Amino acid sequence: AQTVTQSQPEMSVQEAETVTLSCTYDTSESNYYLFWYKQPPSRQMILVIRQEAYKQQNATENRFSVNFQKAAKSFSLKISDSQLGDTAMYFCALLSTGNQFYFGTGTSLTVIP
Amino acid sequence: AAGVIQSPRHLIKEKRETATLKCYPIPRHDTVYWYQQGPGQDPQFLISFYEKMQSDKGSIPDRFSAQQFSDYHSELNMSSLELGDSALYFCASSSSGLGGSYEQYFGPGTRLTVT
Repeated sequence: AQTVTQSQPEMSVQEAETVTLSCTYDTSESNYYLFWYKQPPSRQMILVIRQEAYKQQNATENRFSVNFQKAAKSFSLKISDSQLGDTAMYFCALLSTGNQFYFGTGTSLTVIP
Repeated sequence: AAGVIQSPRHLIKEKRETATLKCYPIPRHDTVYWYQQGPGQDPQFLISFYEKMQSDKGSIPDRFSAQQFSDYHSELNMSSLELGDSALYFCASSSSGLGGSYEQYFGPGTRLTVT
């Protein structure tokens, strides 16, 4: 069974500061992908960053980076220089066999001016 | 760049009515997914299609059916609607072929309200 756990329902960060969102997962597959999606108040689901499990190097996209710990099955998202537009719900997702995504329950992030 | 298109964006139906949601994937994407997101919940996978064939099935009620057409667009048909079907329905598409990166790109969603 595949599961994704986000243990932080809500977080807040001061503008320009750094925040880390946690995600743990469980899968018996050896090859899989991990993603972070952002869902702002508009409810649009926006891809933030992706990580292939076979790659050891942590993915980075501008101010967004991940800390991928494969042995610990941990996939945290770090947002640097937080901006007001980063306020959103963030979902961690796992893709393994069957092309089916498994989402965590989300972390609501508020960036405080 | 072209994105996933969903129509309609908003839909209001009464109980026991039927609804049809449409999804137009990003060009050259061969896989379409449907998700249901209830208020305050994470998206729940319903069903997916690869090359017009059903590829995976999640928590889709028997009252719902879906298909992918020759032009790769997909339709989600929902019958005997219930109040609990009120939700945001997302369609996503991805490319699984050579050079594809598997990440799913989501449409803006169709907000269905059942009264």
